[in-house]
Amino acid sequence: DAGITQSPRHKVTETGTPVTLRCHQTENHRYMYWYRQDPGHGLRLIHYSYGVKDTDKGEVSDGYSVSRSKTEDFLLTLESATSSQTSVYFCAISERGLAGYTDTQYFGPGTRLTVL
Amino acid sequence: KQEVTQIPAALSVPEGENLVLNCSFTDSAIYNLQWFRQDPGKGLTSLLLIQSSQREQTSGRLNASLDKSSGRSTLYIAASQPGDSATYLCAVAGDSGAGSYQLTFGKGTKLSVIP
Repeated sequence: DAGITQSPRHKVTETGTPVTLRCHQTENHRYMYWYRQDPGHGLRLIHYSYGVKDTDKGEVSDGYSVSRSKTEDFLLTLESATSSQTSVYFCAISERGLAGYTDTQYFGPGTRLTVL
Repeated sequence: KQEVTQIPAALSVPEGENLVLNCSFTDSAIYNLQWFRQDPGKGLTSLLLIQSSQREQTSGRLNASLDKSSGRSTLYIAASQPGDSATYLCAVAGDSGAGSYQLTFGKGTKLSVIP
């Protein structure tokens, strides 16, 4: 299994509070991704990173920000959590992006976030 | 916008049966198609990756095919076992615009193999 950890694994918070989720990898992969998984929607890309300090938006980026100051860490921040952000959040990594068409994404175990 | 559909949403089969899971996508401009497995409460595990220039890939009892022109892929599982029970997700890789690719996922097929 790829060395990807997510913290916390579970979190309950209240509407309006800031929340930061952390993804840590030990594979030295260049690309990192944040997804959310919701019933009826499947997995949707929130933000991704293609290098240290290089990030871009995905399909559902509103209300989320990200930062990547080191290769191994990718942080997802909800500045002011809302109930619609209750979800399971997955981090993923990949090595070569478009440079390698056989590249796959490896997923972390997920963080279950509940916003009350 | 790429859309990925998986049919059926759920499937229950007796142990030992061969089965086919279906995936269709709307935009044929893809780099690859991947099949993942997800166990309850867990992350995703990559099963097979088919490059856009390929027609199929095999791994053990699993065989995935790709018909890019018609926007279809199938995952064939031979001699199903109770341990195959999981949700199977299809994802297609397209250009995200920053030198990386973006995966668009289907909603999955939940498979139950009955002993």
